[in-house]
Amino acid sequence: SQQGEEDPQALSIQEGENATMNCSYKTSINNLQWYRQNSGRGLVHLILIRSNEREKHSGRLRVTLDTSKKSSSLLITASRAADTASYFCATDEPGNTGKLIFGQGTTLQVKP
Amino acid sequence: DAMVIQNPRYQVTQFGKPVTLSCSQTLNHNVMYWYQQKSSQAPKLLFHYYDKDFNNEADTPDNFQSRRPNTSFCFLDIRSPGLGDAAMYLCATSRDGAGGTVDTQYFGPGTRLTVL
Repeated sequence: SQQGEEDPQALSIQEGENATMNCSYKTSINNLQWYRQNSGRGLVHLILIRSNEREKHSGRLRVTLDTSKKSSSLLITASRAADTASYFCATDEPGNTGKLIFGQGTTLQVKP
Repeated sequence: DAMVIQNPRYQVTQFGKPVTLSCSQTLNHNVMYWYQQKSSQAPKLLFHYYDKDFNNEADTPDNFQSRRPNTSFCFLDIRSPGLGDAAMYLCATSRDGAGGTVDTQYFGPGTRLTVL
């Protein structure tokens, strides 16, 4: 089944640095979403980017989508310790089933 | 505030003892999902409801059942929990996406299940 694969699996940076996470998927999509999960908590939606969009911004977040390469990236600029979390990409399953397929996630640690 | 609520936040049960986890929402979304998430893994969809239409994933064990008595509430029943069922269980809701696409999902805080 289609699944987003994320790279790197773990990332450790200093506060103030930028963090980039990548997601690849296998088949065509309608949209791709990024979620954040703090330890032991539920997921929080960050950004949804549609297949006809190439870039989207939200505050310190920038998401790009390259459908020709079946890949997306999430950039967090000027990171803060509070950004420490796991980040998941998710794509809608082919066939318009109403379901998301989540990648394995990138664990980001931002050191103060 | 509109939200997704899960109770309890932590549930301890014994091997083989049935347990029910609950989820409620004030968002009035017609789609509700149950996910299982084990440590350091992606959430795995167990089933979802499109209104009252139940959709089970092919690899969801028969041990897992669900009920949705109304728009606001959804329950996950684990009939005979095994040690391998220890996990975080996440409930999520979404609006009906246009043309069957998936809209933003709103997650509850999760229920951490421990099986002794």
